[in-house]
Amino acid sequence: QKEVEQDPGPLSVPEGAIVSLNCTYSNSAFQYFMWYRQYSRKGPELLMYTYSSGNKEDGRFTAQVDKSSKYISLFIRDSQPSDSATYLCAMSPYNNNDMRFGAGTRLTVKP
Amino acid sequence: GAVVSQHPSRVICKSGTSVKIECRSLDFQATTMFWYRQFPKQSLMLMATSNEGSKATYEQGVEKDKFLINHASLTLSTLTVTSAHPEDSSFYICSAYGGQGAQPQHFGDGTRLSIL
Repeated sequence: QKEVEQDPGPLSVPEGAIVSLNCTYSNSAFQYFMWYRQYSRKGPELLMYTYSSGNKEDGRFTAQVDKSSKYISLFIRDSQPSDSATYLCAMSPYNNNDMRFGAGTRLTVKP
Repeated sequence: GAVVSQHPSRVICKSGTSVKIECRSLDFQATTMFWYRQFPKQSLMLMATSNEGSKATYEQGVEKDKFLINHASLTLSTLTVTSAHPEDSSFYICSAYGGQGAQPQHFGDGTRLSIL
């Protein structure tokens, strides 16, 4: 079993839809949870960063962490074609240094 | 803030050539830099972790003599692919981390290496 599981998709939605992206993990030591967005042939860009359980909102993006279920989510409201990218979840234990990545979910938002 | 610059973005060279890739943190001091390799439609594979002024720590299966890493300052790390062969063709990405209490790793834009 991988430490971090993420459905690679691909996921295709119409413009304006709410997108839900998820990851599960097995290591209870993870404390820091990140979502990165990666456009084709570019490096990952940090989108959301949360510590421990709870929700965090930034514009159209909401990150949720449920440590009891070892489950994290990223919601994108009013999705736009420019949101089309691969979304990577990542998590790390205490020192925010040793990160483990999910496989990435490829999202396409169609106009 | 937290900008990481990686250069070059694209390299095409003949088999047997050594290729150097630079990773710079432009607006913060990076206590740790990471080098990843990414195959098409796959996630990031950590190759090595380097701390300023010390030897890099390589992940299992990564040849340290093949992939030379130097982290000479708090803002610069280099990866040299020595005597590159076609199987070394890949997308190489660096990231930088500012240390305890800092934001998570910030990534460069990657280097696409093609060995003919």
